[in-house]
Amino acid sequence: EAGVVQSPRYKIIEKKQPVAFWCNPISGHNTLYWYRQNLGQGPELLIRYENEEAVDDSQLPKDRFSAERLKGVDSTLKIQPAELGDSAVYLCASSPPVKGEQFFGPGTRLTVL
Amino acid sequence: AQKVTQAQTEISVVEKEDVTLDCVYETRDTTYYLFWYKQPPSGELVFLIRRNSFDEQNEISGRYSWNFQKSTSSFNFTITASQVVDSAVYFCALTWTSNTGKLIFGQGTTLQVKP
Repeated sequence: EAGVVQSPRYKIIEKKQPVAFWCNPISGHNTLYWYRQNLGQGPELLIRYENEEAVDDSQLPKDRFSAERLKGVDSTLKIQPAELGDSAVYLCASSPPVKGEQFFGPGTRLTVL
Repeated sequence: AQKVTQAQTEISVVEKEDVTLDCVYETRDTTYYLFWYKQPPSGELVFLIRRNSFDEQNEISGRYSWNFQKSTSSFNFTITASQVVDSAVYFCALTWTSNTGKLIFGQGTTLQVKP
């Protein structure tokens, strides 16, 4: 069974540029999460989707971050414009309908110069 | 406050030694879930175990074992006869029933197993 797929794996951009990350969850997993992991820290939730509905986006900096999950499958996380402090690893995770463990993708390592 | 504390930032052992990673949690909820994840250098978080608050039975899986003690709010992880492949960052995490599934992670413990 394929795991959570994320792309790109690495991204280097200059500040004020836009950037987007893509996530394809495990088939059949209706819940999708985006986390941000700063260097030396544990991941922190940015947004959680149940199917196509964002049910928890309280930690998403809405002035520059946006996310969507059209058709309740793939998801895209966007930052516009990026700031130096956005440098981090962005992790996508999914979990099945009956609540259980979250399965994580390999992450996208973003470097903002 | 709901939080997870992993006081050990880095641990270094020699192969075949046993090592215990500590995890202390705080939560107001009576129904909660605790997790351990492994993050190897490749970056992907690998699920190791989930334990709910009503199940204090310790668990063993191969060289891995977990000691859950509600009295001390701890959920410690022991690797027996460590191997070089165990080198990774290990995270303890917490969620609770009213938390919409969001995981609260500790800071992580970096384990280095030397040959």
